[in-house]
Amino acid sequence: KAGVTQTPRYLIKTRGQQVTLSCSPISGHRSVSWYQQTPGQGLQFLFEYFSETQRNKGNFPGRFSGRQFSNSRSEMNVSTLELGDSALYLCASSFQADEKLFFGSGTQLSVL
Amino acid sequence: AQSVTQLDSHVSVSEGTPVLLRCNYSSSYSPSLFWYVQHPNKGLQLLLKYTSAATLVKGINGFEAEFKKSETSFHLTKPSAHMSDAAEYFCVVSVSGGYNKLIFGAGTRLAVHP
Repeated sequence: KAGVTQTPRYLIKTRGQQVTLSCSPISGHRSVSWYQQTPGQGLQFLFEYFSETQRNKGNFPGRFSGRQFSNSRSEMNVSTLELGDSALYLCASSFQADEKLFFGSGTQLSVL
Repeated sequence: AQSVTQLDSHVSVSEGTPVLLRCNYSSSYSPSLFWYVQHPNKGLQLLLKYTSAATLVKGINGFEAEFKKSETSFHLTKPSAHMSDAAEYFCVVSVSGGYNKLIFGAGTRLAVHP
């Protein structure tokens, strides 16, 4: 069974640009969560989607958004990038909420 | 509100010696607690999960953790460290009804020396 797949693995953007990250969950998993990891703030919850509906959101500005498609694949978008958005963005999937999460290897975003 | 505190940012052990990574939690109800491990340039892997079925939880790769309500602790242990255990370890609490909203501790970096 394939794991959680995140693309691209690395991204370099400049301030003011926008970026879209992609996550393909494990087959059969309907819940997809996103987390941001930085050296200063550690791991922080961004949002969770289940059956194309956002059910929970962390304390991030509106520049961070996401969506989930009918095949459970999810995308995360960050608009008007700031230097502080440089981070490892991790996607995780599970069959249902509050169950064991399986994490992808992440997308390393660098904002210059 | 739930929170976790990892008491050591770095732990260094010799190969073959025991490992102890300490975690205290704060929760107003019976929490779901986890330990995750992250190897360099890799995603997070679940080591073990506590959900009140048993206070001693066995995980993968020889790790186990004991839930102690009186001490609000959930320390991770392993009898004998292996070089491949060198990684960052996160103690995590799940927000009840939070739809996979996890609160992560700051992490403990484990170094294993030959």
